[in-house]
Amino acid sequence: KQEVTQIPAALSVPEGENLVLNCSFTDSAIYNLQWFRQDPGKGLTSLLLIQSSQREQTSGRLNASLDKSSGRSTLYIAASQPGDSATYLCAVRPAQGGSEKLVFGKGTKLTVNP
Amino acid sequence: GAVVSQHPSWVICKSGTSVKIECRSLDFQATTMFWYRQFPKQSLMLMATSNEGSKATYEQGVEKDKFLINHASLTLSTLTVTSAHPEDSSFYICSAIRTVNYGYTFGSGTRLTVV
Repeated sequence: KQEVTQIPAALSVPEGENLVLNCSFTDSAIYNLQWFRQDPGKGLTSLLLIQSSQREQTSGRLNASLDKSSGRSTLYIAASQPGDSATYLCAVRPAQGGSEKLVFGKGTKLTVNP
Repeated sequence: GAVVSQHPSWVICKSGTSVKIECRSLDFQATTMFWYRQFPKQSLMLMATSNEGSKATYEQGVEKDKFLINHASLTLSTLTVTSAHPEDSSFYICSAIRTVNYGYTFGSGTRLTVV
């Protein structure tokens, strides 16, 4: 059974700092991995999608890497801003079992202090 | 980019009434849609998976007669909370996918309060 773990559960940093959020998954048989952001009381916003054949994806100040063989992904946020404060969720789409269900981590709550 | 519209964003209803929540994929045809429930400060909990034209598949412990899902077209799925009770108050979120190469797109969520 696929399990996704995110470390740390919460992170507080001063504005301007670069930071890394970690995600690990137990089964390397995945189609893709997706990073989301959730603001309080809101839905999920997709940040980056990495296919299983890819190593990384970049969007603006965000960079996500994927090491499928070791079951790890990182989300790098450069020059953090208070507006980056949110909960960041990592999710994988398993390639086995025929299921289309995403498997989520519990998230990392990020606070960027002005 | 892919956009999923969820409506209403919030609703307050009386106990015993039914509430319908709509989830629409605006610029793509969704092969599958999902309905989640989220309690405060907790993770998303998958309720059911729906495919156009077929019955929804409910997760264990989710009452299918209480949470009616209709996936009438490739762009619309609805969740109806029947005979709502205060314990049904929660944040409901839908998501949709096209094919395996595309990611999941989520709606903005619906805050349901049953009084």
